[in-house]
Amino acid sequence: QVQLQQSGPGLLKPSETLSLTCAVSGASIDNPDYYWGWVRQPPGKGLEWIATIYHNDITYYNPSLKSRVTISLNTSRNQFSLELTSVSAADTAVYFCARHHRLEDVVAVPAFFDPWGQGTPVTVSS
Amino acid sequence: DNVMTQFPDSLTVSLGERATINCKSSQSVFFGSNKKNYLSWYQQKPGQPPKVLIYWASTRRPGVPDRFSGSGSVTNFTLTISSLQPEDVAVYYCQQYFDSPFTFGPGTRVDIK
Repeated sequence: QVQLQQSGPGLLKPSETLSLTCAVSGASIDNPDYYWGWVRQPPGKGLEWIATIYHNDITYYNPSLKSRVTISLNTSRNQFSLELTSVSAADTAVYFCARHHRLEDVVAVPAFFDPWGQGTPVTVSS
Repeated sequence: DNVMTQFPDSLTVSLGERATINCKSSQSVFFGSNKKNYLSWYQQKPGQPPKVLIYWASTRRPGVPDRFSGSGSVTNFTLTISSLQPEDVAVYYCQQYFDSPFTFGPGTRVDIK
């Protein structure tokens, strides 16, 4: 059973850098059957995809955040990470890591997210 | 970006009755080469991460009760709960994976009357 355990700070000041880590158990992040991604949810609002990474370091970024986001793999620790620079109050949200399930039918694509980490509430406030 | 919209924003249904949630994409999510719709549905309960229910618009994830069903094609999709149960109270989201950026609908809240 694949499980994702998130870690990282919950409170930042404006202009700081958010760093979150997602430790994966029950699966290898090197497995070419899966992608790995991050999704966030502002308080009381819907879901926003942030970024996704594949085992060969191919990355996908939401253009709305691309200039501030880096997603990376640490295969030796079987974990992946998110960095978001220059945070502001607009980045206040619950951040989720998730396995971005790979589906292949004619072409292979990152498809749905399953399972998810427990979520990390992040507040940006001076 | 492929903008996803959902309606209604919320609905209240009696126990055992049918709940229908609609999702519309601003661009097609249908791939002609495999005749598949690149759309999934999620359920999110308070304080929990979302849980995927359906992918390829109509394929139930293993373990998902068969009262949940998905239908539709191209730009118009529906999630149906055939007989609402107390544990189905949640917010439901659609998500397209036809193209990056992968986008979600704004969600539909389902409550019991």
